[in-house]
Amino acid sequence: QKEVEQNSGPLSVPEGAIASLNCTYSDRVSQSFFWYRQYSGKSPELIMSIYSNGDKEDGRFTAQLNKASQYVSLLIRDSQPSDSATYLCAAKGGGFKTIFGAGTRLFVKA
Amino acid sequence: GAVVSQHPSRVICKSGTSVKIECRSLDFQATTMFWYRQFPKQSLMLMATSNEGSKATYEQGVEKDKFLINHASLTLSTLTVTSAHPEDSSFYICSARTGKGDQPQHFGDGTRLSIL
Repeated sequence: QKEVEQNSGPLSVPEGAIASLNCTYSDRVSQSFFWYRQYSGKSPELIMSIYSNGDKEDGRFTAQLNKASQYVSLLIRDSQPSDSATYLCAAKGGGFKTIFGAGTRLFVKA
Repeated sequence: GAVVSQHPSRVICKSGTSVKIECRSLDFQATTMFWYRQFPKQSLMLMATSNEGSKATYEQGVEKDKFLINHASLTLSTLTVTSAHPEDSSFYICSARTGKGDQPQHFGDGTRLSIL
């Protein structure tokens, strides 16, 4: 089992809909969790960090963490075509490294 | 806050040239820096992790004599691709993190390296 797993997609949603991106992780990386957005040809940029169970909201983005199920998700409300990108889930355990998932490609159709 | 500056953004050079890429944390002290490589439409691939003042830890399969990493200060790390060949052409991205708690990594803008 990979330490951080994501569905590669593509996930296609219409403009204005809620996009739901999911990620599971292993016991080894169960301390801190991050979502990054990477546009094609660009480097990743941090969207959200989440450290404890529950929901964390920031504008149109909501991160959800469920440690019992080892599951973290990112919801994007009122999706816009400019949200089309690859979303990387990342998790960190006690060591130096943050482990990145392979990413889910999101397409928001106008 | 948490800005990481990487340059150059693009390099085109002949085979056999050595190329140096710089990564700076502008507004925080980066106790740990990371170097990644990403080929088109593929995932980020961690090459090495470096802590300030220590030798870098390379991932399996990454040649340490080919990819020289120096992390001489809390705000600067460099990656030198020695005697670059066309197969080294890729998108190289650095990231940095402070050692305080479980902070996220912040990425530079990346360097697109093309070896002719």
